[in-house]
Amino acid sequence: GAVVSQHPSWVICKSGTSVKIECRSLDFQATTMFWYRQFPKQSLMLMATSNEGSKATYEQGVEKDKFLINHASLTLSTLTVTSAHPEDSSFYICSATVQGAIDEQFFGPGTRLTVL
Amino acid sequence: GESVGLHLPTLSVQEGDNSIINCAYSNSASDYFIWYKQESGKGPQFIIDIRSNMDKRQGQRVTVLLNKTVKHLSLQIAATQPGDSAVYFCAESRMDSSYKLIFGSGTRLLVRP
Repeated sequence: GAVVSQHPSWVICKSGTSVKIECRSLDFQATTMFWYRQFPKQSLMLMATSNEGSKATYEQGVEKDKFLINHASLTLSTLTVTSAHPEDSSFYICSATVQGAIDEQFFGPGTRLTVL
Repeated sequence: GESVGLHLPTLSVQEGDNSIINCAYSNSASDYFIWYKQESGKGPQFIIDIRSNMDKRQGQRVTVLLNKTVKHLSLQIAATQPGDSAVYFCAESRMDSSYKLIFGSGTRLLVRP
């Protein structure tokens, strides 16, 4: 149980385009979903926290107008990288917590974004 | 600011030996700590966790030690296997920040056959 999926697993896009990444909890309802970014050979950095039906909370330094997060249901959150540029190329990872056990995060497999 | 972990080191061990991976954290208010394993191109995989009211916790082949006095966390892997080769991250969190995770910089473990 507690499986989190992401789609797509990888994406290549041209500079200036927008890219949407989906994060789904497959067998549970997720109270909260988190979005992380990981550059090569670096650690995971939290970008934002999203709760179903409310606006996401962004970490300091993360542009909310560039990284749009929508959490429309208890099983789906989306991250849209708007007007992507090469410096946005990274590994984007989501995680989700189960209602009643918010201390444990279940991670998705990640999405590799390459912006040309 | 808050920070967890050391600069990314690499630990090379012989298959069958024990491995010890260390991590330092800076926030004394953190009350929950987790070790994750990340293989190349994949998301983090939970290994073991420990709460601040404990100083040791054991799992299958893994042990986590917490020293709150010096704000230090370690992961011990017994009888290291080639499949243990990966990057290991410690992470800290606390209840009053809704358990947001702050990740350390990671340690790459290489297991020599």
